[in-house]
Amino acid sequence: AQSVAQPEDQVNVAEGNPLTVKCTYSVSGNPYLFWYVQYPNRGLQFLLKYITGDNLVKGSYGFEAEFNKSQTSFHLKKPSALVSDSALYFCAVRDIYSGNTPLVFGKGTRLSVIA
Amino acid sequence: EPEVTQTPSHQVTQMGQEVILRCVPISNHLYFYWYRQILGQKVEFLVSFYNNEISEKSEIFDDQFSVERPDGSNFTLKIRSTKLEDSAMYFCASSDKRASYNEQFFGPGTRLTVL
Repeated sequence: AQSVAQPEDQVNVAEGNPLTVKCTYSVSGNPYLFWYVQYPNRGLQFLLKYITGDNLVKGSYGFEAEFNKSQTSFHLKKPSALVSDSALYFCAVRDIYSGNTPLVFGKGTRLSVIA
Repeated sequence: EPEVTQTPSHQVTQMGQEVILRCVPISNHLYFYWYRQILGQKVEFLVSFYNNEISEKSEIFDDQFSVERPDGSNFTLKIRSTKLEDSAMYFCASSDKRASYNEQFFGPGTRLTVL
């Protein structure tokens, strides 16, 4: 069975500082990994995904994530946080052989960037 | 940029009543999904729909739930007799391709409150 863990309910960071939102996963095979962000009163917006190739994936709004197979992690990062990055972040996984089956999500991490 | 839309944004109902949550997926998408998130918990898969039939459903999606694509644009989730534990945020999503590396596009959600 596939699963995702986001160990932090809340991450606080000062504006201009680097941010990291953690995600670890469990799949029986190889994973496809996704990050989504949810702003207030908005749907989940796709940020980036890891499919294959380079372990460092770049996405929208300056975010990037690093796939680490040995640690089964896919942490979301940004070199310099903005107040507008404050939102709820979800990590999700799918097994690569699962076809179009549903995404399995973590419970989300609330990021708060303080000016 | 095309978006998934959902109505209503918030629905309050009495226990035992029927509710219908509505979604308009992105127009050229073929795969449709419903997920829900109980407050403070993970986003959970309910059902996927393709070619006018259910592709997959979770154990949450019992006989009280049904989905329908009544016309070429809407995708609905019906709960026949709501329970207190159905209170959650319900997200609709769509995707255009079958491959498991394709991201899903989410609507803003409907917050269902069962009293």
